[in-house]
Amino acid sequence: AQSVTQLGSHVSVSEGALVLLRCNYSSSVPPYLFWYVQYPNQGLQLLLKYTSAATLVKGINGFEAEFKKSETSFHLTKPSAHMSDAAEYFCAVSASTGGFKTIFGAGTRLFVKA
Amino acid sequence: DSGVTQTPKHLITATGQRVTLRCSPRSGDLSVYWYQQSLDQGLQFLIQYYNGEERAKGNILERFSAQQFPDLHSELNLSSLELGDSALYFCASSVSALGSYNEQFFGPGTRLTVL
Repeated sequence: AQSVTQLGSHVSVSEGALVLLRCNYSSSVPPYLFWYVQYPNQGLQLLLKYTSAATLVKGINGFEAEFKKSETSFHLTKPSAHMSDAAEYFCAVSASTGGFKTIFGAGTRLFVKA
Repeated sequence: DSGVTQTPKHLITATGQRVTLRCSPRSGDLSVYWYQQSLDQGLQFLIQYYNGEERAKGNILERFSAQQFPDLHSELNLSSLELGDSALYFCASSVSALGSYNEQFFGPGTRLTVL
């Protein structure tokens, strides 16, 4: 069965600083990996997804994530944080052994300080 | 706008009551998912339907049930409501239920308050 762990329930950065949100997954077969963002009072929105085509995946709003099989990680980064990036971020995994059921992490809330 | 619609947006009811939440998926999407989001439990997967058939079950209580109709809209029925059922209920849809095509598009949610 698949699982996903997001390290840090809260992350705080200054505006203009690097954003790094950590996600580690567990899967016995090649996984599909996703990052979603949830802004206050809204549903989740897909930021980016990894589907084995390229290990570095670029998403919307300047975010990107790198799939590292050796580290079983799929960390989300953005070079320069903006106030509008303040939201909750969810990492998710899906794989054939789980019937492609999508497993979501617990979420990381990002705070951006002026 | 994800293309997924949910009604109602807010629902306030009393303990012991029954409510129905409705979801219309994006045009062309065959899979519908239901999630419950609360402060203490986080985002919990409840159930998934694919083209009218139940495909996967998560942490769904026996008091809850769902169905997907021929026109692909879905309803989540919550009965014998308890205070702890107060939460945001999200519906999501995807083109398929397989592989990379199950990236999900979420609706705006229904906020249920049980008093």
